[in-house]
Amino acid sequence: NAGVMQNPRHLVRRRGQEARLRCSPMKGHSHVYWYRQLPEEGLKFMVYLQKENIIDESGMPKERFSAEFPKEGPSILRIQQVVRGDSAAYFCASSSLGRVDAEAFFGQGTRLTVV
Amino acid sequence: AQSVTQLDSHVSVSEGTPVLLRCNYSSSYSPSLFWYVQHPNKGLQLLLKYTSAATLVKGINGFEAEFKKSETSFHLTKPSAHMSDAAEYFCVVSGYSNYQLIWGAGTKLIIKP
Repeated sequence: NAGVMQNPRHLVRRRGQEARLRCSPMKGHSHVYWYRQLPEEGLKFMVYLQKENIIDESGMPKERFSAEFPKEGPSILRIQQVVRGDSAAYFCASSSLGRVDAEAFFGQGTRLTVV
Repeated sequence: AQSVTQLDSHVSVSEGTPVLLRCNYSSSYSPSLFWYVQHPNKGLQLLLKYTSAATLVKGINGFEAEFKKSETSFHLTKPSAHMSDAAEYFCVVSGYSNYQLIWGAGTKLIIKP
């Protein structure tokens, strides 16, 4: 059973381009969470999705950021018109239940660099 | 609001000596608490979790943590450090919802030979 798979591991984008980050949850997991980690900081919650539904996007910036988790395929975090401040590590986690006492398994992250 | 403070950004210990990573939390209700470890260029791994059962929680790789409500602390300890323990450690508390996690800023553990 492969763990949570994120790709790409590293992504470089010029200012104004779009970034697409992918996350394939563990087999059997229907709950996906995205977190952002800025340098020297802990992770910050962005969005929680179940298959085809956004449950909580309270941590997502209002503009340029969107997330989806389609019925088939990976979850996608999309950042339009990237700016330097978007440079960070983006982590995806998945769990079998939408509760904190259900262990969330994390991917290795995508490190986005905006130049 | 829930929050977590890791009191040391870096901790350096010699191999074979005890490890203590400190964490204080703030919560308006009984929280769930976790410690995660992040090795360089690897994902985050759950070390242990407290969810209102026994206050002394044992985790993987010889780590344990004690939940102390009176001190609002959840410090991570290990009796004897190993070189492979060098990593960054995150203390995490459950958020206002039953799925959100609130993360500390992390403590880098350095092991001296």
